[in-house]
Amino acid sequence: GQQLNQSPQSMFIQEGEDVSMNCTSSSIFNTWLWYKQDPGEGPVLLIALYKAGELTSNGRLTAQFGITRKDSFLNISASIPSDVGIYFCAGRGQAGTALIFGKGTTLSVSS
Amino acid sequence: GAVVSQHPSRVICKSGTSVKIECRSLDFQATTMFWYRQFPKQSLMLMATSNEGSKATYEQGVEKDKFLINHASLTLSTLTVTSAHPEDSSFYICSATRTSGQETQYFGPGTRLLVL
Repeated sequence: GQQLNQSPQSMFIQEGEDVSMNCTSSSIFNTWLWYKQDPGEGPVLLIALYKAGELTSNGRLTAQFGITRKDSFLNISASIPSDVGIYFCAGRGQAGTALIFGKGTTLSVSS
Repeated sequence: GAVVSQHPSRVICKSGTSVKIECRSLDFQATTMFWYRQFPKQSLMLMATSNEGSKATYEQGVEKDKFLINHASLTLSTLTVTSAHPEDSSFYICSATRTSGQETQYFGPGTRLLVL
């Protein structure tokens, strides 16, 4: 099925560093969501964005809904070991339709 | 706390048997639930959209007779893998759409299926 372009595919960083990842789409979305998935578990919602240009924070996480409605980024500041996991972006066009997922960014944090 | 539950969390079965996975929205009603499949180190792939009181909508390439979906109530959807084979082994995840102001999709914890 259709997928978003998410980058980078993986990141290896030191504890305390900031992280940035992004997603782009050829289609316009009305909703962007960012999830984190730990091994063997379902994705957990981090941030939801519903309006173009919207910038939303959740603790050390900040995400933005691009003005063109075709992209979004997620920043993690001052990373800690528990930030390790796979981060997925997801977008939705019309209400009630399924989310389209990026391929994920695997984050590794060394202390 | 968790807003979507799945049961069982993991199941091992023999080839040829059928397996039922339940997905429940815990504190809200969900007219629409989704079923995804995830292979190791890959993203979630949508299998089908489950609509309460009507037939599920399957994605291209997903056999509806193989993966039976029933959404009998506003808080429960079930996925039955019929006559399971080893290639059906995967991580199955459901999600439910919560509409309270804005539409947000919450995921269950997933079910690990291993077919021997």
